[in-house]
Amino acid sequence: NAGVTQTPKFRVLKTGQSMTLLCAQDMNHEYMYWYRQDPGMGLRLIHYSVGEGTTAKGEVPDGYNVSRLKKQNFLLGLESAAPSQTSVYFCASSFRANEQFFGPGTRLTVL
Amino acid sequence: SQQGEEDPQALSIQEGENATMNCSYKTSINNLQWYRQNSGRGLVHLILIRSNEREKHSGRLRVTLDTSKKSSSLLITASRAADTASYFCATQDSNYQLIWGAGTKLIIKP
Repeated sequence: NAGVTQTPKFRVLKTGQSMTLLCAQDMNHEYMYWYRQDPGMGLRLIHYSVGEGTTAKGEVPDGYNVSRLKKQNFLLGLESAAPSQTSVYFCASSFRANEQFFGPGTRLTVL
Repeated sequence: SQQGEEDPQALSIQEGENATMNCSYKTSINNLQWYRQNSGRGLVHLILIRSNEREKHSGRLRVTLDTSKKSSSLLITASRAADTASYFCATQDSNYQLIWGAGTKLIIKP
């Protein structure tokens, strides 16, 4: 099993550009999450999903959109990237509200 | 907003010594979880302790939870170089979301 995978691993964007981060899990988990991690801080929840076709806002949702069209995939979109969105993005999944399994992260730089 | 606050922010010890990290939180929780993050990698779940539990063990790890003080501690015994990492506590409330602390950076010196 691959667990949780994220695409891409690295990306550099210019201010105003858009992009989509893809997260995939093969553990049949209902719950999926998108976090961002900034230096010296813990993870902050952007959006999450408790099942296919459902999404909800987390702590820092502004500037991001998500979609969960298939149970195994959770997409994070940036419509108009800003330098404040420079961060490392982690996707995670869980069986209900138990331990979370993380992907390797996507390092995003917005110039 | 961050719920958990780890203490200390950084810890450097000799290989073989024990390492203790603490986590404090503010609101009622369903459970508290500890995760490890190696540099540049994703987080790995270590242990989960439920609000009605006081102590839990997993290999060289020992976690305690004091709900009256809203605090938890993670003890790593007989530390190894491979234990060098950042350690995060995360609390789960009735909304089932995890709220994370800023982490403790642990360095094990050979």
